[in-house]
Amino acid sequence: DTEVTQTPKHLVMGMTNKKSLKCEQHMGHRAMYWYKQKAKKPPELMFVYSYEKLSINESVPSRFSPECPNSSLLNLHLHALQPEDSALYLCASSQDLPSSNTQYFGPGTRLTVL
Amino acid sequence: EDQVTQSPEALRLQEGESSSLNCSYTVSGLRGLFWYRQDPGKGPEFLFTLYSAGEEKEKERLKATLTKKESFLHITAPKPEDSATYLCAVRAAGNKLTFGGGTRVLVKP
Repeated sequence: DTEVTQTPKHLVMGMTNKKSLKCEQHMGHRAMYWYKQKAKKPPELMFVYSYEKLSINESVPSRFSPECPNSSLLNLHLHALQPEDSALYLCASSQDLPSSNTQYFGPGTRLTVL
Repeated sequence: EDQVTQSPEALRLQEGESSSLNCSYTVSGLRGLFWYRQDPGKGPEFLFTLYSAGEEKEKERLKATLTKKESFLHITAPKPEDSATYLCAVRAAGNKLTFGGGTRVLVKP
């Protein structure tokens, strides 16, 4: 099973709202990722967690706050977003081994900021 | 800096018309080249991982090959359901993928 699940599928929020995106995998992967994707562009890396510790933050604004409660779960907390933050937010997971590092993506959360 | 360039940007094919997509890359110490298929509004679907030059992998009408500078995704006798954006990505040291811009494929019946 190579399934990564994400909730919600769609989210509409105002600029003053606080919301969270959730991601879950049960493949025993120890690396988890958040990406942002705009229309007709490739995914853009935001954060990487390796063994539940934040290992990469691609200079993402503080209005995005990641959290990894355990090895299967990844959250992205959103606060005071801007309309330009509207995008498809993708979660992915992978083994953290040189010989086995394929990232498997979830279906994404379509976020609209009004 | 790692770079990935995909060509063409868009490809229109008739059903049954075979073609190839190109992914050229520059990376220090390749630790994997990945092909994904993405339908509009959905997450990328994993297709292939290639690790070393000369490696080839096949799945249904798709075949991926790898050289030291580029990878090709061959689509043999495509069907309309093969219409999608195909993404290529490379990984060097660490967990970061560098993506190309993608090739949008449209297969007409």
